[in-house]
Amino acid sequence: DTGVSQNPRHKITKRGQNVTFRCDPISEHNRLYWYRQTLGQGPEFLTYFQNEAQLEKSRLLSDRFSAERPKGSFSTLEIQRTEQGDSAMYLCASSLRGRGAYGYTFGSGTRLTVV
Amino acid sequence: EDQVTQSPEALRLQEGESSSLNCSYTVSGLRGLFWYRQDPGKGPEFLFTLYSAGEEKEKERLKATLTKKESFLHITAPKPEDSATYLCALPAGGSQGNLIFGKGTKLSVKP
Repeated sequence: DTGVSQNPRHKITKRGQNVTFRCDPISEHNRLYWYRQTLGQGPEFLTYFQNEAQLEKSRLLSDRFSAERPKGSFSTLEIQRTEQGDSAMYLCASSLRGRGAYGYTFGSGTRLTVV
Repeated sequence: EDQVTQSPEALRLQEGESSSLNCSYTVSGLRGLFWYRQDPGKGPEFLFTLYSAGEEKEKERLKATLTKKESFLHITAPKPEDSATYLCALPAGGSQGNLIFGKGTKLSVKP
């Protein structure tokens, strides 16, 4: 297993366009998380899944954002009608329920630039 | 409101010069405190979990400690490869997935 994989690594888009990011978690992990990180800040929670169920969403996740995890495997995060304020690093992480002591395993992120 | 505050924001050390990073927190019911290391352009890398006051964890030159109000990450005789941003995080009260992160301490170790 090569860890948590995120694609693409970088995305430049024009304001108003839609973008979609993909996350492939560690195969045996049943929990998957999305975070957003801007320069000089710590990651901010967006949403998380346990298997295919989306269990929690942050207030940061406006109606332009949608996340899915079909069949409890990979996940996608879509941003519609992008705005310049959406420019950030989008991080995906996974973990195994009940193994909190081992922390979350993060991917290397997708850096989004909205021009 | 649950909160995590890290200090200092940045720390510059000479190789071999030991120091400590601070993470102070307020949360309704601590369910673990996490330390992560983040290198530029990469995601955070898990270091430690601490669960109760008085607990300590060690890994190479790093030692994390926990009190009821704060956690410290002690770095003993650091090397240039220890240069990174160190993040502290804890689960938000009532949440199973929401980790609240501090802004981090950017550590630079000069040879």
